[in-house]
Amino acid sequence: QKEVEQDPGPLSVPEGAIVSLNCTYSNSAFQYFMWYRQYSRKGPELLMYTYSSGNKEDGRFTAQVDKSSKYISLFIRDSQPSDSATYLCAMSLFSGGSNYKLTFGKGTLLTVNP
Amino acid sequence: KAGVTQTPRYLIKTRGQQVTLSCSPISGHRSVSWYQQTPGQGLQFLFEYFSETQRNKGNFPGRFSGRQFSNSRSEMNVSTLELGDSALYLCASSLEGRATDTQYFGPGTRLTVL
Repeated sequence: QKEVEQDPGPLSVPEGAIVSLNCTYSNSAFQYFMWYRQYSRKGPELLMYTYSSGNKEDGRFTAQVDKSSKYISLFIRDSQPSDSATYLCAMSLFSGGSNYKLTFGKGTLLTVNP
Repeated sequence: KAGVTQTPRYLIKTRGQQVTLSCSPISGHRSVSWYQQTPGQGLQFLFEYFSETQRNKGNFPGRFSGRQFSNSRSEMNVSTLELGDSALYLCASSLEGRATDTQYFGPGTRLTVL
């Protein structure tokens, strides 16, 4: 079983829709949870970062973490064509505070149609 | 502030050859991490360098190596290339490589092995 599972999609939605992206993980030691967005031919860029269970909101984006279920989600409200990209979840362990590595999901390809 | 730069952007090699990829981190960032991205495996952590020392290593064979210079610039080397090494190689820099530091990714080097 992979440490992080993410539905690769592709996911196609009309403009204005609410998008839900999800990841599950198996390692309960993961403590930091991130969502990255990757446009075609670009490197990933950090969208959201959360540490604890619960919700975190930033504009149209909401990140949700449920550590008891080992499940994280990213919600995009009022989706726009410019949101079309691959969305990657990522997680890291707390290992002494000075070194770590990110474990990524495979990414979900999202297309928002005008 | 300039972002993470990677050179070259595209590379074509044949099996058995070796290749060196370069990464210049954001000014002031001392940690550089390398990742391999393929459609089948997604983003996988290769290694992390901090103050010219390899501090973290992923599960890749010894053909994959790297180094970091005193100005934090980093190089990654792959020897005896195999077809399966075809991938997008991404480097990411962060201030200190702590779990709470944001990693900023470069655009990647697309390596094709024929």
